[in-house]
Amino acid sequence: SAVISQKPSRDICQRGTSLTIQCQVDSQVTMMFWYRQQPGQSLTLIATANQGSEATYESGFVIDKFPISRPNLTFSTLTVSNMSPEDSSIYLCSVAAGTANQPQHFGDGTRLSIL
Amino acid sequence: QKEVEQDPGPLSVPEGAIVSLNCTYSNSAFQYFMWYRQYSRKGPELLMYTYSSGNKEDGRFTAQVDKSSKYISLFIRDSQPSDSATYLCAMSDGYGGSQGNLIFGKGTKLSVKP
Repeated sequence: SAVISQKPSRDICQRGTSLTIQCQVDSQVTMMFWYRQQPGQSLTLIATANQGSEATYESGFVIDKFPISRPNLTFSTLTVSNMSPEDSSIYLCSVAAGTANQPQHFGDGTRLSIL
Repeated sequence: QKEVEQDPGPLSVPEGAIVSLNCTYSNSAFQYFMWYRQYSRKGPELLMYTYSSGNKEDGRFTAQVDKSSKYISLFIRDSQPSDSATYLCAMSDGYGGSQGNLIFGKGTKLSVKP
């Protein structure tokens, strides 16, 4: 399966600031996704990053708060904007091949703490 | 009622034991079922991936899906301390795991004692 690298692996940020998380894959993939994993909660899909078009956001997540870029088939970024302590979480990138019925594979995540 | 229910544990077993991990779900449209293993400070690692009902075996791991009961299981035989991790079940509807929304359980934390 593809090797997925996320940067940074962790960060501590001040409230009101923004942080951009990068996801780099070692091969071209059709599908890239961003998830949030809050303590004691299930992984929750934030959005699907679409190459060459706007991301598709899930209910409860908006572009102004979580802008996403996908400039090519190996790279995507997620920005967490105007952060508050409630945004403290693990943010995970996942990828899947474009052929039908292929499972998703995850990076190691970015551990984000907001003071 | 949550879409996917999974007992969070923690579950502690002695080395060599057979471990049974389970999830129930409510959405009858789910067709693709996955088990991920997540070590501390790591991302989820795909263990098993099955379609519809039935069993799938891979080494010491067996995944079972019973769509009539909306119940999936992961069995680990001859458990090892290296199996100590959190196990996440995940499932999706007819578009498969690569598209659409994966719905996860909260995960079961497993500890295998030497």
